Amino acid sequence: SQQGEEDPQALSIQEGENATMNCSYKTSINNLQWYRQNSGRGLVHLILIRSNEREKHSGRLRVTLDTSKKSSSLLITASRAADTASYFCATGINYQLIWGAGTKLIIKP
Amino acid sequence: GAVVSQHPSWVICKSGTSVKIECRSLDFQATTMFWYRQFPKQSLMLMATSNEGSKATYEQGVEKDKFLINHASLTLSTLTVTSAHPEDSSFYICSATSGLAGGGGPGELFFGEGSRLTVL
Repeated sequence: SQQGEEDPQALSIQEGENATMNCSYKTSINNLQWYRQNSGRGLVHLILIRSNEREKHSGRLRVTLDTSKKSSSLLITASRAADTASYFCATGINYQLIWGAGTKLIIKP
Repeated sequence: GAVVSQHPSWVICKSGTSVKIECRSLDFQATTMFWYRQFPKQSLMLMATSNEGSKATYEQGVEKDKFLINHASLTLSTLTVTSAHPEDSSFYICSATSGLAGGGGPGELFFGEGSRLTVL
């Protein structure tokens, strides 16, 4: 079965720096979604990018999708301490979402 | 965004008892709800998918008699952990969607805040 795999597994950077997380998958998709999870909480949807889109922006977030390489990246610019969380990519096909293992992001003040 | 309310946030119960967790979509009609289990520092594990008015579809390895799911209305789904045992202790999260995304594929999911179950 297809699976989204994020890398790195963990990332620690200084506040103000940019954070980049990557997601790779194995089969064709309809869309790819990124979610954020604060510790012990539910997930929050960040952005959805369709398979025919290459880049999408939302505030300080920039998501790219390369379907030829079956990969996506999430860039958080000018990181803040409040961005500390786990970030998950999920690949969508038909009704199903397949979740990656997540990247734990720590922003040091 | 849409709001999904999950209750209770945490529950401690004795081994052998049953626990019910509710998931409500507060401001939209959820055609489909999903129940996940999450172990510490791990990703989400889909347990089952439920559509309003029909039986839930369970993922392989998930005991349907152990984890009873009811989706009686477009705004409410419940997960009942029957005869709970310590190994059922986990973080359970529900999510809801109102349908497919534009252009095809699953739409955005709205998550509850999760329920932490501890079975003594």
